[in-house]
Amino acid sequence: AQSVTQLGSHVSVSEGALVLLRCNYSSSVPPYLFWYVQYPNQGLQLLLKYTSAATLVKGINGFEAEFKKSETSFHLTKPSAHMSDAAEYFCAVSESQGNLIFGKGTKLSVKP
Amino acid sequence: DGGITQSPKYLFRKEGQNVTLSCEQNLNHDAMYWYRQDPGQGLRLIYYSQIVNDFQKGDIAEGYSVSREKKESFPLTVTSAQKNPTAFYLCASSITPSGSSSEQYFGPGTRLTVT
Repeated sequence: AQSVTQLGSHVSVSEGALVLLRCNYSSSVPPYLFWYVQYPNQGLQLLLKYTSAATLVKGINGFEAEFKKSETSFHLTKPSAHMSDAAEYFCAVSESQGNLIFGKGTKLSVKP
Repeated sequence: DGGITQSPKYLFRKEGQNVTLSCEQNLNHDAMYWYRQDPGQGLRLIYYSQIVNDFQKGDIAEGYSVSREKKESFPLTVTSAQKNPTAFYLCASSITPSGSSSEQYFGPGTRLTVT
């Protein structure tokens, strides 16, 4: 069965610092992987997705993620954090039927 | 504007009452999903539907029911059998369901509080 583990339920960075949110997956087949962002009391918005076309995936708002098969990882990064990046981030893997398995989320805080 | 609408944004009910959450999409998507979100738990799948007049249970279907009579609509009923109904409920849709790389698009959510 597929699963997703997000390391760290809370991450705090200073404005302008590197953002690194970790995601490891378990899948018996080549996965499709997604990162979503959720602002308080709102739905989820897609940041980026990996569909095997390229291992380094660029998304919206300056985020990117690198698929590393050997490490079964799909970590999300942004070179310089902005106050508006404060939100909760979810990593997800697609099952064969198209359903998504979500990690438990990482809340990102950005300090001025 | 294409998208997914959920209504109402906030819903309050007394224990023992059934309540129906609305989800409508005008994206012409085939698949629709209902998730429940609790703090620190991520999103858990309640029900999903890949085509009109068909739906399947997700991981936590007990105490919930759905219907899919129209492509655009996928209402969720929280019944009195659901032991802990207070949560944030999210509806989503995707263009194709099975084995695809299609992302899911989410509605704004409904926060249900049962007292």
